[in-house]
Amino acid sequence: EAGVAQSPRYKIIEKRQSVAFWCNPISGHATLYWYQQILGQGPKLLIQFQNNGVVDDSQLPKDRFSAERLKGVDSTLKIQPAKLEDSAVYLCASSKTGTGQPQHFGDGTRLSIL
Amino acid sequence: AQKVTQAQTEISVVEKEDVTLDCVYETRDTTYYLFWYKQPPSGELVFLIRRNSFDEQNEISGRYSWNFQKSTSSFNFTITASQVVDSAVYFCALSDLEVSSSNTGKLIFGQGTTLQVKP
Repeated sequence: EAGVAQSPRYKIIEKRQSVAFWCNPISGHATLYWYQQILGQGPKLLIQFQNNGVVDDSQLPKDRFSAERLKGVDSTLKIQPAKLEDSAVYLCASSKTGTGQPQHFGDGTRLSIL
Repeated sequence: AQKVTQAQTEISVVEKEDVTLDCVYETRDTTYYLFWYKQPPSGELVFLIRRNSFDEQNEISGRYSWNFQKSTSSFNFTITASQVVDSAVYFCALSDLEVSSSNTGKLIFGQGTTLQVKP
């Protein structure tokens, strides 16, 4: 079974620029998550999708972050404009529907803001 | 509010030593799930184990074992005869068991414990 795919693996941009990350979940996984992991901390949920609908975006900085999952499969996360504090690893995860299902993570995108 | 605390920031052991990683959690829910994930230097979070709040039976899987004690809100993880390949950051996480308008089943992670196993 193919795992969660993310791209790019690394990204370096200057502050105030925009950036986009892409995620392809495990086939058949209806739930998709985006997490932000700042160095030395545990991942923090940014947004959760169930198929193409948003379940939880309470911790998404909506003034600069946006995400979509138009066809209920792939997802993109965008930051515009980027700030220095957005430097982090952005992790995508997917799971089967149902409570307590293990989330399976991609390799992440390491974002550095100069 | 839900919270997971991993008090050990870094642990260093010599290969073949046993090591226990501590996890303490807080939740008002009576039903929930607990998880352990491993994050090697490559960055990917690897799922290790899930335990639900109804099941306090301890589990052993090869060199790994988990000790869940609801009375002390702890879910500790032990690696027996550690190996260099066990070097990674280990995360404990908590999730609601029942999904509602306020509980989405998201994972609440601890800060992580960095384990270094020296040869």
